[in-house]
Amino acid sequence: DSGVTQTPKHLITATGQRVTLRCSPRSGDLSVYWYQQSLDQGLQFLIQYYNGEERAKGNILERFSAQQFPDLHSELNLSSLELGDSALYFCASSPTQGLSPLHFGNGTRLTVT
Amino acid sequence: AQSVAQPEDQVNVAEGNPLTVKCTYSVSGNPYLFWYVQYPNRGLQFLLKYITGDNLVKGSYGFEAEFNKSQTSFHLKKPSALVSDSALYFCAVRKMDGSSNTGKLIFGQGTTLQVKP
Repeated sequence: DSGVTQTPKHLITATGQRVTLRCSPRSGDLSVYWYQQSLDQGLQFLIQYYNGEERAKGNILERFSAQQFPDLHSELNLSSLELGDSALYFCASSPTQGLSPLHFGNGTRLTVT
Repeated sequence: AQSVAQPEDQVNVAEGNPLTVKCTYSVSGNPYLFWYVQYPNRGLQFLLKYITGDNLVKGSYGFEAEFNKSQTSFHLKKPSALVSDSALYFCAVRKMDGSSNTGKLIFGQGTTLQVKP
């Protein structure tokens, strides 16, 4: 068990809808990262937060947004969903922004129908 | 720009035989390299990392990786494969964004390791 908790495990929704994915990092970790895993794109970095502040942005669509709250949990919001957004979304955490390994949750599998 | 490449989509090996999963990297500056493993329906698990020092890095579950600067490679190895090692393996490089000291990882496409009894 990595100590990173993601909810829900599965999410099935329709095109055009909006969903929120939640992540609780390991105790003591200040940095949270979001990744999208799909068969055609592989693992794509979306966004990183450190102690509540956005620190890095990857290939995140404008329809997607995220935030990290004072208690350090993070939420990824996906809106105007399209079929192509169906993927596994991972959250990872690390103590700092440095060279410590990332610890991944088990992911949220999103299916858009 | 930092990137990693895993040239093999799948590696097949018999149980008890040595295994190698290949990774090459392209970085400007010092490379910070990682290996992760993903089992079905699970998140990625950290195996090992190379930051500096010895070119042979030892990690979890008997895995090790050899850093080769001249060949820009960071191959994952294990002397004797187990059926339970069958999984998806990812090589990753830490990406530096100019002066920003972010720790995000850029992953390769992954290599499926199949160990047969």
